[in-house]
Amino acid sequence: DTEVTQTPKHLVMGMTNKKSLKCEQHMGHRAMYWYKQKAKKPPELMFVYSYEKLSINESVPSRFSPECPNSSLLNLHLHALQPEDSALYLCASSQEQGGNIQYFGAGTRLSVL
Amino acid sequence: GQNIDQPTEMTATEGAIVQINCTYQTSGFNGLFWYQQHAGEAPTFLSYNVLDGLEEKGRFSSFLSRSKGYSYLLLKELQMKDSASYLCAVRGEVRGSTLGRLYFGRGTQLTVWP
Repeated sequence: DTEVTQTPKHLVMGMTNKKSLKCEQHMGHRAMYWYKQKAKKPPELMFVYSYEKLSINESVPSRFSPECPNSSLLNLHLHALQPEDSALYLCASSQEQGGNIQYFGAGTRLSVL
Repeated sequence: GQNIDQPTEMTATEGAIVQINCTYQTSGFNGLFWYQQHAGEAPTFLSYNVLDGLEEKGRFSSFLSRSKGYSYLLLKELQMKDSASYLCAVRGEVRGSTLGRLYFGRGTQLTVWP
């Protein structure tokens, strides 16, 4: 089983809203990732958590706030987003050792109005 | 800096063989990955190479030459469902992180015609 589950699948929000994206995996992976992907572009890394600690922050604006409540869950809290933040947000997870193959969730399609 | 280069588009016909090339220059190297991504869907893992040579998995094979900074993905017996974007990604080093991170190429959009 290589399933990473993301909710919601679609989200429309205004620039003053606060919302959260959720990601869950039960593969025992200890590394989890958030990516942002615009149409016809590759995924852009946002954050990496390793053993529930923030390991990498790719200089992401503070209106995006990640949280890792436990080893299976990863959240991305959104506040005061801009229309240019509209994108597909992908979560991935991997083991810490070996090939570190990242398995992706289906993503949340976000539209900011 | 990091540079992953792959062709933007390729076309082929059903039943044919296609080779998608990827060249890279990265800070450190800890493996090269190929992902398939259908429009609007998540990237799906296809293959992983960390040592030089060919890895075969069914209709898909991937090759790596670390000395040349070069990889290719070979797709045999093409099917219509293989129409997708193929992403080459290299895991490079990040200071202070044992995980490193993936650097993605821009993706190669493959169209398979009947």
